[in-house]
Amino acid sequence: GQQLNQSPQSMFIQEGEDVSMNCTSSSIFNTWLWYKQDPGEGPVLLIALYKAGELTSNGRLTAQFGITRKDSFLNISASIPSDVGIYFCAGQLRGTQGGSEKLVFGKGMKLTVNP
Amino acid sequence: DTEVTQTPKHLVMGMTNKKSLKCEQHMGHRAMYWYKQKAKKPPELMFVYSYEKLSINESVPSRFSPECPNSSLLNLHLHALQPEDSALYLCASSQAPSTGTVSYEQYFGPGTRLTVT
Repeated sequence: GQQLNQSPQSMFIQEGEDVSMNCTSSSIFNTWLWYKQDPGEGPVLLIALYKAGELTSNGRLTAQFGITRKDSFLNISASIPSDVGIYFCAGQLRGTQGGSEKLVFGKGMKLTVNP
Repeated sequence: DTEVTQTPKHLVMGMTNKKSLKCEQHMGHRAMYWYKQKAKKPPELMFVYSYEKLSINESVPSRFSPECPNSSLLNLHLHALQPEDSALYLCASSQAPSTGTVSYEQYFGPGTRLTVT
């Protein structure tokens, strides 16, 4: 089945630093999604990317959908303590007739921000 | 509003118990999902409902029984679970494309932390 390689697996940074993470796949996806998950909570959608080459920002977050449709990256600028959590990338296939959609998740990146 | 709610927040059950997890959304989404998440792992898809019909079952054991009573509600009925079924159970919803030409992002609920003793 499809697998996503997400790297790095963890990062320890100082408050104010920027951080980058990426996901690569051997398969093409139609949509890339980035989620953040706090302990004991559900994943929260940060950014959704729909077109190859698309570059999208959401506040301090910037993400890009790779031109080959097999990769995506997420940048966080000027990190703050509340950025701590686990970040997941997810590739999404278009649903077949009937509307079923499946997400393929990366293994996650644990971010620690030292104040 | 992109809120998906789940109840209960925490559940402890014995291996002979029967319990149910509930999920609700009022975003008009017609696709709803159940995921299971173990510690330090990504969510794993269990079931997908599309237009209130079960469209995907990822070979989940029959001790997990999903139900979609209407377009806003999704239940997961639990019976005779094993300790290894202890996990965070997540519900998600999305718009459901009818033609397969677009993808829609999934919104997750806060999850139910299930402990099987």
